[in-house]
Amino acid sequence: LAKTTQPISMDSYEGQEVNITCSHNNIATNDYITWYQQFPSQGPRFIIQGYKTKVTNEVASLFIPADRKSSTLSLPRVSLSDTAVYYCLVGDMRLSGGYQKVTFGTGTKLQVIP
Amino acid sequence: EAGVAQSPRYKIIEKRQSVAFWCNPISGHATLYWYQQILGQGPKLLIQFQNNGVVDDSQLPKDRFSAERLKGVDSTLKIQPAKLEDSAVYLCASSLVTGVGEEQFFGPGTRLTVL
Repeated sequence: LAKTTQPISMDSYEGQEVNITCSHNNIATNDYITWYQQFPSQGPRFIIQGYKTKVTNEVASLFIPADRKSSTLSLPRVSLSDTAVYYCLVGDMRLSGGYQKVTFGTGTKLQVIP
Repeated sequence: EAGVAQSPRYKIIEKRQSVAFWCNPISGHATLYWYQQILGQGPKLLIQFQNNGVVDDSQLPKDRFSAERLKGVDSTLKIQPAKLEDSAVYLCASSLVTGVGEEQFFGPGTRLTVL
């Protein structure tokens, strides 16, 4: 199982860009990287996913260097509603589709300050 | 589109009792996951189904935990007998394979307290 490491917590002011890095040194060739957001008393919610280089969607960007041993989730101009725990997940994509050997990270608690 | 449904939302039992959780995934999602999330930790995969077959149950404590997925749709997770350390939120997720990977959709979870 690919082990992931994230900072335990981060603080940011509203309107700033936030970058959360996840370390996954033993990532395997077939592993994809996915980030989830979790609010208290709710299940995690998908944010973004990638394999290499840069991926961008309407809410975030994901940067993955060439060696893929880390990844960075970038949240542009955060608001108070972005206060949540953010998880990095590494999973082995099977040829038939879907993950196996799914491993969630420890999570980073982001606190957005007014 | 209806999301992943789980029941019950909360359950309190005494140690050595048994308990069962139910999950109804999003229609058409072939893959179903059960996770255990202890307070302050990330979700830990217990078991993964592809249709009604088990893909990964390597972290499922098989001496007390069991799970099944009937007809490749609904799933139940059972604990018998429960221990104090089983107190956690049990999350069910179903997934959709996208063009660049997989997106998991999580239910609200069942919060289990073992006294």
